[in-house]
Amino acid sequence: NAGVTQTPKFRILKIGQSMTLQCAQDMNHNYMYWYRQDPGMGLKLIYYSVGAGITDKGEVPNGYNVSRSTTEDFPLRLELAAPSQTSVYFCASSGQAYNEQFFGPGTRLTVL
Amino acid sequence: LAKTTQPISMDSYEGQEVNITCSHNNIATNDYITWYQQFPSQGPRFIIQGYKTKVTNEVASLFIPADRKSSTLSLPRVSLSDTAVYYCLVGGTNAGKSTFGDGTTLTVKP
Repeated sequence: NAGVTQTPKFRILKIGQSMTLQCAQDMNHNYMYWYRQDPGMGLKLIYYSVGAGITDKGEVPNGYNVSRSTTEDFPLRLELAAPSQTSVYFCASSGQAYNEQFFGPGTRLTVL
Repeated sequence: LAKTTQPISMDSYEGQEVNITCSHNNIATNDYITWYQQFPSQGPRFIIQGYKTKVTNEVASLFIPADRKSSTLSLPRVSLSDTAVYYCLVGGTNAGKSTFGDGTTLTVKP
């Protein structure tokens, strides 16, 4: 099993550009999550999904959108990138809400 | 949200036992307590999870008092490779209500 995969690993955006961060898992997990981690800080939940077709906001959703058309994929969309979105983005999945979360390797995004 | 509070940093020496405490005063009845380890430039990795009393696995123990308002992660005989950031996460059946704290940076010295 590949577990949770994320692409790209690194990306530099200009202010106002948009992009999609990709996340996929092959563990047939119902729950998927997007977190952001600013330097020296903990993880903050952006969006999460409890299954295909169902998504909901986390703690810091502004400036982001998600979709979940399949069990495996959970892309994160950034529209109109801003310097405040410079961060490391982690995708995770779990079988149930309270189960162990499996994390991807992260995407390091810089907005200039 | 079940807010968590941890010490910002801790130092230890190889071979010692390390105890890291997390406070979660407003933990809900159906919340579990989960601890993760994170190395630089990597995603967090699961260490241990518990609901009440004591849980032990091959790498750590988790102590949870009866009131469940705090928990203590115990790492026996740490080595240099245990230098990392440790997070406690409190959450239950509502995935959107789980929160990571700011973590504890553990530095193990020779």
